[in-house]
Amino acid sequence: SQQGEEDPQALSIQEGENATMNCSYKTSINNLQWYRQNSGRGLVHLILIRSNEREKHSGRLRVTLDTSKKSSSLLITASRAADTASYFCATDVMGYGNKLVFGAGTILRVKS
Amino acid sequence: GAGVSQSPSNKVTEKGKDVELRCDPISGHTALYWYRQSLGQGLEFLIYFQGNSAPDKSGLPSDRFSAERTGGSVSTLTIQRTQQEDSAVYLCASSLMGQQETQYFGPGTRLLVL
Repeated sequence: SQQGEEDPQALSIQEGENATMNCSYKTSINNLQWYRQNSGRGLVHLILIRSNEREKHSGRLRVTLDTSKKSSSLLITASRAADTASYFCATDVMGYGNKLVFGAGTILRVKS
Repeated sequence: GAGVSQSPSNKVTEKGKDVELRCDPISGHTALYWYRQSLGQGLEFLIYFQGNSAPDKSGLPSDRFSAERTGGSVSTLTIQRTQQEDSAVYLCASSLMGQQETQYFGPGTRLLVL
């Protein structure tokens, strides 16, 4: 079964609004990463947060991690039409080598 | 090269035929991964190569799937006797030894089995 599960499955917002996506996972992790995918092709790495970190920022992105709840959130502030994409969380599971376990993703649509 | 490249971009084949998908990782990256993504789904791990170690094949869905990595660089994923359920986007990623958490993905090969 999938380790990470994102919600919502789809999100539609207006340009300039903030978008929040959540990810839950089941087992202990080394780190959690967020990726973006445009048009069903290659993934772009956005940000990595380690299990001993609680919050991380990168530009308009803010990621939080709550290991007690086994959950993470990705916040995109001041969204742009170009942010329209699918967003996936992926966990580097302890004892699972270096394989990433992906969730099913959140489809974000930013309307201009 | 500047990034991970994959070929072909698209492949249409008939059920029962064999296909080969190619991945060129980023130069100097010792770890290489294959994933499969079915329509509207997340990525499913297939196989992982790390240096000269034996590959982790735990994600391969059946014995029709195999992969090799020659010279520690280029990798080929082979699907024998393709089935319609093999239709998906096959993504390759590579990462640098010692910085294995960040994986850099190629554009993928979209496979359609008729």
